[in-house]
Amino acid sequence: EPEVTQTPSHQVTQMGQEVILRCVPISNHLYFYWYRQILGQKVEFLVSFYNNEISEKSEIFDDQFSVERPDGSNFTLKIRSTKLEDSAMYFCASSDAGGDQPQHFGDGTRLSIL
Amino acid sequence: GEDVEQSLFLSVREGDSSVINCTYTDSSSTYLYWYKQEPGAGLQLLTYIFSNMDMKQDQRLTVLLNKKDKHLSLRIADTQTGDSAIYFCAESILTGGGNKLTFGTGTQLKVEL
Repeated sequence: EPEVTQTPSHQVTQMGQEVILRCVPISNHLYFYWYRQILGQKVEFLVSFYNNEISEKSEIFDDQFSVERPDGSNFTLKIRSTKLEDSAMYFCASSDAGGDQPQHFGDGTRLSIL
Repeated sequence: GEDVEQSLFLSVREGDSSVINCTYTDSSSTYLYWYKQEPGAGLQLLTYIFSNMDMKQDQRLTVLLNKKDKHLSLRIADTQTGDSAIYFCAESILTGGGNKLTFGTGTQLKVEL
């Protein structure tokens, strides 16, 4: 069964450094998402991306965050200058052309900021 | 705004049925979802129900939706130790770019022998 893959599984970064989290969505999907889960808290929506542009973003997704689809297969989340509070599990998801279709999630990247 | 609530813990004996409950606030939800998260793993889509349905059954899983009360439940029949995990309820709001999910806190299901 097709799946969403995320790399790396664990990223450790010094505060203030830039980090890029990578995702390969399911190949025929057109809608892409990032969520995060701070330890012990809810899974929170960050951003949705469709047709090569951001379609919606949450309050969390400030100017330090950006997303990109650099080629036909990858979808990345960049945090420009990481803060301690960015430590969380980051999940990528994708859904197919229907728009309101189930989102399929990757296994996540655990980001630890030191 | 959207808010989704779940109880935090549920403990059942192997072979019994488990019922995990969820309440949500946004009446414009289009679909409601159940995801399962095992330790160290991602969010596995279990099942989902369209908001104009009352019930959906999928093998051992039964989803019940009371739209009037904004209450969703997941029943797992013949619960097994492999069902031990965190179960997240999520509501879906259709946006211009797909759908945005709002998750509950998750219910930790513990299955005892």
